[in-house]
Amino acid sequence: AAGVIQSPRHLIKEKRETATLKCYPIPRHDTVYWYQQGPGQDPQFLISFYEKMQSDKGSIPDRFSAQQFSDYHSELNMSSLELGDSALYFCASSGRGAYEQYFGPGTRLTVT
Amino acid sequence: DQQVKQNSPSLSVQEGRISILNCDYTNSMFDYFLWYKKYPAEGPTFLISISSIKDKNEDGRFTVFLNKSAKHLSLHIVPSQPGDSAVYFCAASGGTGNQFYFGTGTSLTVIP
Repeated sequence: AAGVIQSPRHLIKEKRETATLKCYPIPRHDTVYWYQQGPGQDPQFLISFYEKMQSDKGSIPDRFSAQQFSDYHSELNMSSLELGDSALYFCASSGRGAYEQYFGPGTRLTVT
Repeated sequence: DQQVKQNSPSLSVQEGRISILNCDYTNSMFDYFLWYKKYPAEGPTFLISISSIKDKNEDGRFTVFLNKSAKHLSLHIVPSQPGDSAVYFCAASGGTGNQFYFGTGTSLTVIP
């Protein structure tokens, strides 16, 4: 079965640079969630989109923005990167009216 | 403010015995709970869920129990297998399309 796809899998950036993470949800899933997991921490919710509209917002810094496109894929844009942004970024998707979120493999971002 | 807590960071169990992972939550509005299993460098994998209208849900070797009055849920794995060794997260949500709040995870080691 198709799963959530995230690209790139690994990304190395320098401080103050920008990064764009992409997420392709499971086909026919209409909701996308973004999570950030720092070393030794639990996943922290950043933001979610339902039918291309922002549906919920968590601890997403103002330097980050995200959107969901007409094909339901989502992009997380991160600017003015800081060392503390180094983390694993997960995208998850869920189907209409469903609770279960299915996670992608994550993008490991390293800021040097 | 950690709304979902897993107070045991690690657990070791002999193969064939029962593994019991515990999770507590503070928000009485949570009505849906998930358990995820996570291997290193991979995204969390959905394991089993339970809604607040039930107090037990079984799926093969995995059973989740929910005690709403105590705001406590547990995951039982029986019999435990070495392949079950992973980090287990519980997560809670207040509705469809809403973010899930994750616990800090319990690292389970099943000893052959």
